[in-house]
Amino acid sequence: DIQMTQSPSSLSASVGDTVTIACRASQTIDNYLNWFQQKPGQAPKLLIYAASSLHSGVPSRFSGSGSGTDFTLTISSLQPEDFATFYCQQSYSPPHSFGQGTRLEIK
Amino acid sequence: EVQLVESGGDLVQPGGSLRLSCAASGFIFRNYAMSWVRQAPGKGLEWVSNISGSGTRTYYADSVKGRFALSRDTSKNTVYLDMDSLRAEDTALYYCARLSGASGYDEVPDYWGRGTLVIVSS
Repeated sequence: DIQMTQSPSSLSASVGDTVTIACRASQTIDNYLNWFQQKPGQAPKLLIYAASSLHSGVPSRFSGSGSGTDFTLTISSLQPEDFATFYCQQSYSPPHSFGQGTRLEIK
Repeated sequence: EVQLVESGGDLVQPGGSLRLSCAASGFIFRNYAMSWVRQAPGKGLEWVSNISGSGTRTYYADSVKGRFALSRDTSKNTVYLDMDSLRAEDTALYYCARLSGASGYDEVPDYWGRGTLVIVSS
């Protein structure tokens, strides 16, 4: 099975900052990498699929990159509504494992 | 508009059974695979199972294989997760999600329901 590892587990940032979250797969997954945002009490929402494609309605300040085993999610010019927990997921092959999550907090 | 509504969550004793349902609307149901993802209280997301659009292929996490069964009824636009031999560690909020294609093998969960809560406790 493919293991997904995110870093950091948590980070603090200010409105207007740019932050990057990393995700590493235990084996190559080509570009079958998705990113989700989850706010407290809400279901996860898809942000990025296929490593770098923006899901419909997602602001362009969110971007993804990477291929193979190493991926990043970048959020530019952080807005107050962006503070949440972020998860990566591989959809290369079942089981479609998730990373452990990265909690983004306001500094 | 894509809508997914989960139901069936409940308090159940260890060793018991439960059926979760996910009613879908706003898209051509048979053209899309479906998925269940769970989240234990205060924990991260855990993928549980996928089913293809035709219902002929299913995939399961090792943690539920042999105990959970995923099926779908196209006439009712509904997916069912039958859960047997429930354990305390199955306690979680269970989310239903639509996958972005029909195979269930390598697609993306693009729309999610709000979840239904399963508590396994005596």
